[in-house]
Amino acid sequence: DAMVIQNPRYQVTQFGKPVTLSCSQTLNHNVMYWYQQKSSQAPKLLFHYYDKDFNNEADTPDNFQSRRPNTSFCFLDIRSPGLGDAAMYLCATSRGGGTGELFFGEGSRLTVL
Amino acid sequence: GENVEQHPSTLSVQEGDSAVIKCTYSDSASNYFPWYKQELGKRPQLIIDIRSNVGEKKDQRIAVTLNKTAKHFSLHITETQPEDSAVYFCAAILGGNNNDMRFGAGTRLTVKP
Repeated sequence: DAMVIQNPRYQVTQFGKPVTLSCSQTLNHNVMYWYQQKSSQAPKLLFHYYDKDFNNEADTPDNFQSRRPNTSFCFLDIRSPGLGDAAMYLCATSRGGGTGELFFGEGSRLTVL
Repeated sequence: GENVEQHPSTLSVQEGDSAVIKCTYSDSASNYFPWYKQELGKRPQLIIDIRSNVGEKKDQRIAVTLNKTAKHFSLHITETQPEDSAVYFCAAILGGNNNDMRFGAGTRLTVKP
């Protein structure tokens, strides 16, 4: 049974056209993460939520925003996608407290035309 | 700056040989060190992890060792098989924010039959 579900799996957008990616979890985990992964690279942490507390990475562009309206859902908004934002976006969850495994969704692959 | 360094970036071994991948971390407060395996087009999957209160952990053909003094940890795969071919990522929780999980750059392991 899928525990971390991302939608859509594939997203094609035009340069500058806003995109929203969603993530939902059935694990009731405290922490939800968004990672960006480009081809042949490591997942790069964009931000994470511990409950409602938002933690932004210092080098995450302002173009990327996130919302977590409740425990189960988290959204990644890309306000004006550029060609360099084409990547796989991975959502992950963990129990929190620095002691737990990350559970990843299948990812959303973004293509920017 | 980079908080988790991983070496080598590529590793090719003959089936049946052992493979070792090494990571170093910068934050002495880090206390959780997972290893993820990512096959092409798939999400990262946890294969083994270690916490700072132990020096070694083994699960069948996979083992992880941790040297907290030197701030490095290693993945050991014995009796490698072609299905072990994948990209392997080490990761560490940064101590300052104990939900901030950072990944190493990854090692592409190829096991030749």
